[in-house]
Parts: sequence; C-alpha cells; structure tokens
Amino acid sequence: DAKTTQPTSMDCAEGRAANLPCNHSTISGNEYVYWYRQIHSQGPQYIIHGLKNNETNEMASLIITEDRKSSTLILPHATLRDTAVYYCIVRTKTNQGAQKLVFGQGTRLTINP
Amino acid sequence: DADVTQTPRNRITKTGKRIMLECSQTKGHDRMYWYRQDPGLGLQLIYYSFDVKDINKGEISDGYSVSRQAQAKFSLSLESAIPNQTALYFCATSDFRGKGEQFFGPGTRLTVL
Repeated sequence: DAKTTQPTSMDCAEGRAANLPCNHSTISGNEYVYWYRQIHSQGPQYIIHGLKNNETNEMASLIITEDRKSSTLILPHATLRDTAVYYCIVRTKTNQGAQKLVFGQGTRLTINP
Repeated sequence: DADVTQTPRNRITKTGKRIMLECSQTKGHDRMYWYRQDPGLGLQLIYYSFDVKDINKGEISDGYSVSRQAQAKFSLSLESAIPNQTALYFCATSDFRGKGEQFFGPGTRLTVL
C-alpha cells in the first residue's frame, strides 16, 4: 500500500488560498489520491479525488504532478470554517476489491482571521 | 435528516461490560465500515462489510465483533470492554457503484473506566 507524507500543521489567512501538499512517492498506477477533512472530531468528510489529471469541484482543486508522486489540495478562498485536519489518502484495495481507506495523521490546517 | 446515524453518541462504561454501538444508513449503500480514532491520530479500520452475508476484519479487529443485521444496519460490539478501547468510533458507508468515497456518521465517543 502506498503511504503518504503530509506536514503536521499549516496556517493560512482567511480569504487566501490554502495549499496543502502531500507526498505519495510509492503510489502505483491504478491507485487514486483521495482527500478528506475532519472538523473537530466530527466524521471525516470527502473533499475530492483524482488519478492523474487535475480535478476541481465546488470545494477544492486537486493538482497531481505528472509523475504522480505528489499532489496539492487547494482551497481557493479559505474561510474560518475550513479549519480542520486534512487527510491525503491513497486508496488501497484488498484481494476482494474492497476500497479501504488508510488514514495517516493528516495536516492540521488553521485559518486565521 | 442525517444519512448515516450512530447511537449512542456518548457512552461511559466500566471494564468488563458488554457494549454495542449501532449504525444505520438511509443512503442505500451496500458497503459499511467501522473505524476507531484515538486522540490526535488518524482512523483505523476495525471491520467492514460488503453486504449482509459478507464480514471482513480490518487492521484492529481483536476485541471487537460486528453484526450486519440488514443492508442498512451494522453494529459493533465490545464483548468485554477494556480501558484502551476508549476512543471515538465512526461508522461509514460507500456504494460500490460510486466514486469510492465513504460517508461517515457523526461518531460515538466511548469511555471505558
């Protein structure tokens, strides 16, 4: 299973873009990169995922490098409500095809007023 | 109404007691999961189920058992609770036809004295 490395914590000013990096140098060709966030002990919330192309939805953008060894989650206009722990996850599969999520410790993002 | 609900939301119990945590979902998903989260750490998978007749152990299944009573219900039991099972427990669901994202419940905070 590919592992991910994220900074332990980051700060960002309200209204600015928050860029959260993730390294996944051992990712294999058929593994996706998923991002979740967890706001203060609530259940984790899905944000976005991608394979090799950049992706954008109403919450964020995901930039994946051409070699797929790293990615960046971008929150374009961060608000105080974006303060959370952000998890970068490479999706693993068991032999039965289960889509297990392996959570690391994530990045604690603090948005400052 | 929440799509994934967990009961109870908080529970304090004593060592040796049997505890059941319940999860229900109205999303119509076939796959359900139980995770635990220790303070300051990411989530660890306890058990997962593809359908009513399929139960699989996750990373940390020792000391836990599960029951998939129906497609919409997945229960986690601690037969004889011990203090190091004090944690936040999350249930999640996913749809095999979906994009692979999981939808989490609000969590159950369990304290074993």
